[in-house]
Amino acid sequence: GENVEQHPSTLSVQEGDSAVIKCTYSDSASNYFPWYKQELGKGPQLIIDIRSNVGEKKDQRIAVTLNKTAKHFSLHITETQPEDSAVYFCAAKGWGGSARQLTFGSGTQLTVLP
Amino acid sequence: GAGVSQSPSNKVTEKGKDVELRCDPISGHTALYWYRQSLGQGLEFLIYFQGNSAPDKSGLPSDRFSAERTGGSVSTLTIQRTQQEDSAVYLCASSLAGTSPGTDTQYFGPGTRLTVL
Repeated sequence: GENVEQHPSTLSVQEGDSAVIKCTYSDSASNYFPWYKQELGKGPQLIIDIRSNVGEKKDQRIAVTLNKTAKHFSLHITETQPEDSAVYFCAAKGWGGSARQLTFGSGTQLTVLP
Repeated sequence: GAGVSQSPSNKVTEKGKDVELRCDPISGHTALYWYRQSLGQGLEFLIYFQGNSAPDKSGLPSDRFSAERTGGSVSTLTIQRTQQEDSAVYLCASSLAGTSPGTDTQYFGPGTRLTVL
């Protein structure tokens, strides 16, 4: 089955700096890669996702890049703000068939220091 | 519109007791998923429903865990004879589960925090 590894497990940045979180996956059939943000006591919220037919996607201060050859994808947050502090999870899944569930990385605790 | 809701938000039980956790998916979402999140860990897949049937139960950790979904909507996750290692946050997600991009996006509820004493 799919295995997703996520690094780093903790990340502290100064407000206004950029943050980068990286994930690798094992199953070359995976073609959908979402990123979730989880605040304390809440469920994960989708912040951005990317499919295998594109290499990069941006949404305001958030961007995700995908390298299918190397089987890794990354989350980039620019101009970080204190409200970006949360746990971020990457995930991977295949398309169609029985591969419906997401396989998650272990999470990154991001702290933005004022 | 309304998101995924789960109840109770917190549940404290004694070892050996049975518990039921409820999930109300987003209206119209045919797919429903249960995940478990242990303290400081990522999310572990438990079971997936398409309509009322469960084509993938591969993540259920033991036969003490079961789930059902009725009317293609509400789902209940039941844990029998709870053990301390069952303590975790149980998260439910739903999606349209269609065949076009964007229809498989999973939306999560707030979770149920289960503590087994």
